[in-house]
Amino acid sequence: NAGVTQTPKFRVLKTGQSMTLLCAQDMNHEYMYWYRQDPGMGLRLIHYSVGEGTTAKGEVPDGYNVSRLKKQNFLLGLESAAPSQTSVYFCASSRPPTSGMETQYFGPGTRLLVL
Amino acid sequence: SQQGEEDPQALSIQEGENATMNCSYKTSINNLQWYRQNSGRGLVHLILIRSNEREKHSGRLRVTLDTSKKSSSLLITASRAADTASYFCATDAVNGGNNRLAFGKGNQVVVIP
Repeated sequence: NAGVTQTPKFRVLKTGQSMTLLCAQDMNHEYMYWYRQDPGMGLRLIHYSVGEGTTAKGEVPDGYNVSRLKKQNFLLGLESAAPSQTSVYFCASSRPPTSGMETQYFGPGTRLLVL
Repeated sequence: SQQGEEDPQALSIQEGENATMNCSYKTSINNLQWYRQNSGRGLVHLILIRSNEREKHSGRLRVTLDTSKKSSSLLITASRAADTASYFCATDAVNGGNNRLAFGKGNQVVVIP
């Protein structure tokens, strides 16, 4: 099993350009997440999804949109990139919570540089 | 919002020594998880401890949870160079209703061969 995969691995954008980050998981997980990681900031949740066709805002959703058209895929879109969106983006997936949140499985990350 | 906070932020030890790092949080939790991140890689789950558990072991890892102090510790025994990584704690709030984990800022551990 590949687990959680992310494409692309690295991307450079100019301010105002748009792009879509793709996350795919083969573990049949209901829940999927997008995080960004900045130096000294830990991981911050951008958006998440609790199932196909549903999405919800996380801690830092502004400037991003997401879609979950298929259970195995979770897309993160930047409509008009800004330098403040320079970061490393991680996707994760998990089973639904039972007695609390379950283990999250992370992808390898996408490094995004916005000039 | 609730957030795990690790302490200390950076730790440098000799191979074979033990490494201990702590995490504190603000509100009642369902469980607490520890993750490892090697440089340039994604996070990898290490261990999950539920709020009704006080101690848990996994190989060379030992995690404790003190819900009265709202804190947890991660001990890595007999450290190896391969343990060099950042370690994050993550919590989820009781009745948070947010379906999310709150991650701390991470502890950077360097194990010197």
